[in-house]
Amino acid sequence: AQSVTQPDIHITVSEGASLELRCNYSYGATPYLFWYVQSPGQGLQLLLKYFSGDTLVQGIKGFEAEFKRSQSSFNLRKPSVHWSDAAEYFCAVGDSNFGNEKLTFGTGTRLTIIP
Amino acid sequence: DGGITQSPKYLFRKEGQNVTLSCEQNLNHDAMYWYRQDPGQGLRLIYYSQIVNDFQKGDIAEGYSVSREKKESFPLTVTSAQKNPTAFYLCASSIQGTEQYFGPGTRLTVT
Repeated sequence: AQSVTQPDIHITVSEGASLELRCNYSYGATPYLFWYVQSPGQGLQLLLKYFSGDTLVQGIKGFEAEFKRSQSSFNLRKPSVHWSDAAEYFCAVGDSNFGNEKLTFGTGTRLTIIP
Repeated sequence: DGGITQSPKYLFRKEGQNVTLSCEQNLNHDAMYWYRQDPGQGLRLIYYSQIVNDFQKGDIAEGYSVSREKKESFPLTVTSAQKNPTAFYLCASSIQGTEQYFGPGTRLTVT
């Protein structure tokens, strides 16, 4: 069965500093990978996705992620965070055998930005 | 604007009552999903539907029921059999094989 691990429950970063959120997955074949962001009490917004091709994926709001098959990782990065980036971030893996209907989510990383 | 609507945003019920959460989409997506979110547990799949009049159980379907009579609508009923119904419920939709788009969620509180 597929699984996702986000080892950092909570991260605090200074505004303007760089950010890396970790995501490790377990999946037998080539996975579909996603990062979503959630503000308190809101739904999830897709930041970026990886299906195939270039392993460095660009997303919205200046985020990027790199798929590393050898490390089973899909870490999210941003060179300079803004106060508005404070939110909860979820990594997810999709089961390509089911046409991506079955997403498995990590438990999330809460990001706090300090001035 | 195209999107997913969930109503109401907050819902309060007494224990032992069934309650139905609404999810509507105008994105013309074939697939729709219901997730449950609890603090520190991420999202867990309750039910999903790939086409009208067909749906499959997810990982935590016990105590829940759904219907898919129209492409645009996928209501979720939380029955009295659900032991811990208080949670944040999220509806999503997608074109099959692509990313899922989420609604704003409904927070259900059962006392």
